[in-house]
Amino acid sequence: DAGITQSPRHKVTETGTPVTLRCHQTENHRYMYWYRQDPGHGLRLIHYSYGVKDTDKGEVSDGYSVSRSKTEDFLLTLESATSSQTSVYFCAISVSGLGQPQHFGDGTRLSIL
Amino acid sequence: AQSVSQHNHHVILSEAASLELGCNYSYGGTVNLFWYVQYPGQHLQLLLKYFSGDPLVKGIKGFEAEFIKSKFSFNLRKPSVQWSDTAEYFCAVNEEGGGGADGLTFGKGTHLIIQP
Repeated sequence: DAGITQSPRHKVTETGTPVTLRCHQTENHRYMYWYRQDPGHGLRLIHYSYGVKDTDKGEVSDGYSVSRSKTEDFLLTLESATSSQTSVYFCAISVSGLGQPQHFGDGTRLSIL
Repeated sequence: AQSVSQHNHHVILSEAASLELGCNYSYGGTVNLFWYVQYPGQHLQLLLKYFSGDPLVKGIKGFEAEFIKSKFSFNLRKPSVQWSDTAEYFCAVNEEGGGGADGLTFGKGTHLIIQP
């Protein structure tokens, strides 16, 4: 267990509302990631972080922003949620540094109505 | 950009059958390769990984995979599957030297169903 906690685990909200998902890790790993998982698409990288205040865009970053003000927390924000952002969101960390396998949280199931 | 192709989206096998799931990637440089498994309702768990060395790697739960560089392939195998292997399987790659810091590229997954 890599000590990753995602919150909330489930959320239903309406189109146009802002949503923030939180990923918390207990082991001070430098690299953190947000993915979304959709049927027929596998997992796709949204944003990632090299460290505090150091983030970059992934493959499907449009409509999402992230922040990392502390090593242990990586926040994903949907500024104005759309139905196309209904998905399961997974946070991951890279243990042991560069190139190492990623460990995943339990996911957040987000439904945008 | 990298891409990963998993050829079989759905596979149905009987218990004790042999399994091989195909994975091909498109990237000309050196890569790190992974197979993950996702049991129903759970998060992804690492099955095995290849960084360098022996191209035949062994993972957990009796799985193994073979890296064939000339074919850009990293196929997952298991000699005899069990009902408990029913899950979704994902192949993933990241670029060596890119450090993995820029995340993994995943295939679309293979849904494996094992019938008792």
